[in-house]
Amino acid sequence: ETGVTQSPTHLIKTRGQQVTLRCSSQSGHNTVSWYQQALGQGPQFIFQYYREEENGRGNFPPRFSGLQFPNYSSELNVNALELDDSALYLCASSLVGQREFFGPGTRLTVL
Amino acid sequence: DQQVKQNSPSLSVQEGRISILNCDYTNSMFDYFLWYKKYPAEGPTFLISISSIKDKNEDGRFTVFLNKSAKHLSLHIVPSQPGDSAVYFCAAKRLSGGSNYKLTFGKGTLLTVNP
Repeated sequence: ETGVTQSPTHLIKTRGQQVTLRCSSQSGHNTVSWYQQALGQGPQFIFQYYREEENGRGNFPPRFSGLQFPNYSSELNVNALELDDSALYLCASSLVGQREFFGPGTRLTVL
Repeated sequence: DQQVKQNSPSLSVQEGRISILNCDYTNSMFDYFLWYKKYPAEGPTFLISISSIKDKNEDGRFTVFLNKSAKHLSLHIVPSQPGDSAVYFCAAKRLSGGSNYKLTFGKGTLLTVNP
C-alpha cells in the first residue's frame, strides 16, 4: 500500500506566475484536502475534494483552485502568485469523514 | 482569529522524563481533537485523538487529556525518548454539522528530548 505522494518537492516561481502542485492519494482514498503551512504557522485548510467535487473551502481567494481526477489524484493550482504564497503545501487523503493521511508537502518559494 | 492555540513554541525535556504539551481552543463547536507529529521534510503524522465525549485517551506512551469546560487539552508523553523530538500540532474538528471536512491546527510546539 503506497502512501500519499506529492510533486514536486521544491519549486521556485516569481510573482504573477501560475503554479500547479500534484498529489497522489493513498490507495482506496476518495477524499483529498489541501493545506497551506506558512513559516512558523500551523497548516491552514484550503479546500477538500470528494469524488471530483469541491466539498468545502477555507478562507482562500479564488485564484487557489483544485481538481480531483477519477483515480483520486489531485492538483492544486495557484494563479497570479504573490510573495505571501510562499509556504509548504500539504495534501492529505482519506476516506470521507475518516482520518487524514498527509503527504510530505511541496515547498513553494515565490520571488 | 486563532481558534486553536499552542502557546509554547518550544519545550525541552530530558530523556525518560514526562513531556506535557498544551493546547487551548476557543470554538465550542469542536468535538474531535487530534495530535500530529511532524519531522522536517515529512508531512504531519497522526499520533492520537480524543472525542469530546471522553476526557482521556491512552495509547502506549501517549495520553491525551481533554478538559471541555476549560477548552483545554494536553498531550503527555511518558517516558520521553530522543526520537520523540519533533514539532507537535494540536488540531480540532467539528464532526457534527456541515464543516466536518476540515482540520483547524495550532501553530505547533517544537519538542526536544535531550539524551
